[in-house]
Amino acid sequence: QSVLTQPPSASGTPGQRVTISCSGSSSNIGSSTLNWYQQLPGTAPKLLIYSNNQRPSGVPDRFSGSKSGTSASLAISGLQSEDEADYYCAAWDDSLNGWVFGGGTKLTVL
Amino acid sequence: QVQLQESGPGLVKPSQTLSLTCTVSGGSISSGGYYWSWIRQHPGKGLEWIGYIYYSGSTYYNPSLKSRVTISVDTSKNQFSLKLSSVTAADTAVYYCARGDQEAFDIWGQGTMVTVSS
Repeated sequence: QSVLTQPPSASGTPGQRVTISCSGSSSNIGSSTLNWYQQLPGTAPKLLIYSNNQRPSGVPDRFSGSKSGTSASLAISGLQSEDEADYYCAAWDDSLNGWVFGGGTKLTVL
Repeated sequence: QVQLQESGPGLVKPSQTLSLTCTVSGGSISSGGYYWSWIRQHPGKGLEWIGYIYYSGSTYYNPSLKSRVTISVDTSKNQFSLKLSSVTAADTAVYYCARGDQEAFDIWGQGTMVTVSS
């Protein structure tokens, strides 16, 4: 059971906009910034969004993040086949004194 | 650019100690500003943070693993290491090393699969 809650799956067609949610509590998302990681099949996770809505260099602006209270979301616009991957949210948890992750959302591009 | 590479045995016997090393290239652990972490992923499952170390040697561990985990750093070799004692089949996972700061884990190693089995 992950501390942060994500839907196990999401899907969309090419060109569509999809969103993935991440829900937590006041000790993690509510008091810390949130990150998103993309894990392509058979590879290591890659930082996609940091500080709630910042993109590292090289990440397309099709990816955007937002946070409100104890929830956050990742939006992917102009969906492409190469976006098919697992997506994880993460935040520091003040109660657990450690990093916590969501269970991951498997995105399928139909 | 900075790269991380995990190394160590792929098979560990139950009750023994799992030992992995992460070699950092393209940058110095001693330069400061970053926390050097271990994260694992059970087969087909999500990510679990194990702990991190600062170049000074300060450590921070996942409370659920704290009693079995030791992370150390060797700045002369630009490496940091993970030891996980008394392993069981539940410790079978892909182990990643990663560089992080206060905000996120920005660089990851490719990961190494460790199986606990007799």
